[in-house]
Amino acid sequence: KAGVTQTPRYLIKTRGQQVTLSCSPISGHRSVSWYQQTPGQGLQFLFEYFSETQRNKGNFPGRFSGRQFSNSRSEMNVSTLELGDSALYLCASSFIGGTGYEKLFFGSGTQLSVL
Amino acid sequence: AQSVTQLGSHVSVSEGALVLLRCNYSSSVPPYLFWYVQYPNQGLQLLLKYTSAATLVKGINGFEAEFKKSETSFHLTKPSAHMSDAAEYFCAVREKSSGDKLTFGTGTRLAVRP
Repeated sequence: KAGVTQTPRYLIKTRGQQVTLSCSPISGHRSVSWYQQTPGQGLQFLFEYFSETQRNKGNFPGRFSGRQFSNSRSEMNVSTLELGDSALYLCASSFIGGTGYEKLFFGSGTQLSVL
Repeated sequence: AQSVTQLGSHVSVSEGALVLLRCNYSSSVPPYLFWYVQYPNQGLQLLLKYTSAATLVKGINGFEAEFKKSETSFHLTKPSAHMSDAAEYFCAVREKSSGDKLTFGTGTRLAVRP
């Protein structure tokens, strides 16, 4: 079974631009979560999608948005990029939505650099 | 609100020595607890999870963690460190009161000296 796939692996953008990141979950998984990882803040939860609906949201500004398609693939969009958005963005998938003891399966991430 | 604290952002041990990575949580009820590991240039993978079936949880690669309710701790240990254990380790907690979100600690980077 293929793992969680994130594309692209690396991105370089300039301030003010927007960016879209993609995540393909493990086949059969219906939940996709997004995390931002930075050296200073660690892993911060962005949002979770389940069956095309946003089920949970972290404390990020509205510039960060996402969506999920009927095949469970998910995209994350960041508009009006700021220098502080430079981070590793990790996507994780799970079967029923990351509740209780269920574990998450992570992709290798997209490294975003904002210049 | 739940939170998880990892003491020590960097830990260095000699190969063959005991590994101890500390994690404390704050929660009014025993939450779901996890340890994840991140190797360089990779995503996170689950090491082990506390499921309330037993307070001592065994995971992959020889790691184990003990849930201590009285100390609100879930420290990760391994009796003998191997060079391949060098990675970043994250403690995480999930609680219904926070909407089942998985909240991570800030991580502990483990270095293993030859």
